[in-house]
Amino acid sequence: GQQLNQSPQSMFIQEGEDVSMNCTSSSIFNTWLWYKQDPGEGPVLLIALYKAGELTSNGRLTAQFGITRKDSFLNISASIPSDVGIYFCAGQPPLFGNEKLTFGTGTRLTIIP
Amino acid sequence: EPEVTQTPSHQVTQMGQEVILRCVPISNHLYFYWYRQILGQKVEFLVSFYNNEISEKSEIFDDQFSVERPDGSNFTLKIRSTKLEDSAMYFCATRGGLAGEEQYFGPGTRLTVT
Repeated sequence: GQQLNQSPQSMFIQEGEDVSMNCTSSSIFNTWLWYKQDPGEGPVLLIALYKAGELTSNGRLTAQFGITRKDSFLNISASIPSDVGIYFCAGQPPLFGNEKLTFGTGTRLTIIP
Repeated sequence: EPEVTQTPSHQVTQMGQEVILRCVPISNHLYFYWYRQILGQKVEFLVSFYNNEISEKSEIFDDQFSVERPDGSNFTLKIRSTKLEDSAMYFCATRGGLAGEEQYFGPGTRLTVT
């Protein structure tokens, strides 16, 4: 099946620093989604990307859909304590009617006091 | 803001027992999904459901699993005879009817099989 490689696996940063993480795939996706998950809770949608090359912002978050349609990155600027959590990318394949999301392995963000 | 709700939040069951996990989708959403997440791992697709039938399922979704929408509101996942390896968080997700709309996830049900 399709695999999404997400990196880095974990990040330890200080409050106020910028964060960058990315996902790569061996196959094409039509849609890239970025979710944040807090412990014991469900994934919360942060940003959705639908077109190759698209760059979308949501507050301090910026994400891009790679032009090859095989990768995406997420940037967080000026991190704050509530940014702590696990970030997952998810891709949706191009086949019509095939809506399952394939999730990346996650990036755990920790803010060092 | 509309949200997906799931019950129970935590279910403990003995191996071999049947469990039913329930989800109330966002109103007017037409596409429904179940995913699971084993502790410390990534989220995995189980099944998608549209127009009262399964549209796609993964290899995880074997004969022990079934889904239905019995009353037009709740969307349920049944595991007929639970195994230890079924212990995981189970998430329901729903999507509206337009192409390209995102999937919104519920808070999950933690299933513990002993």
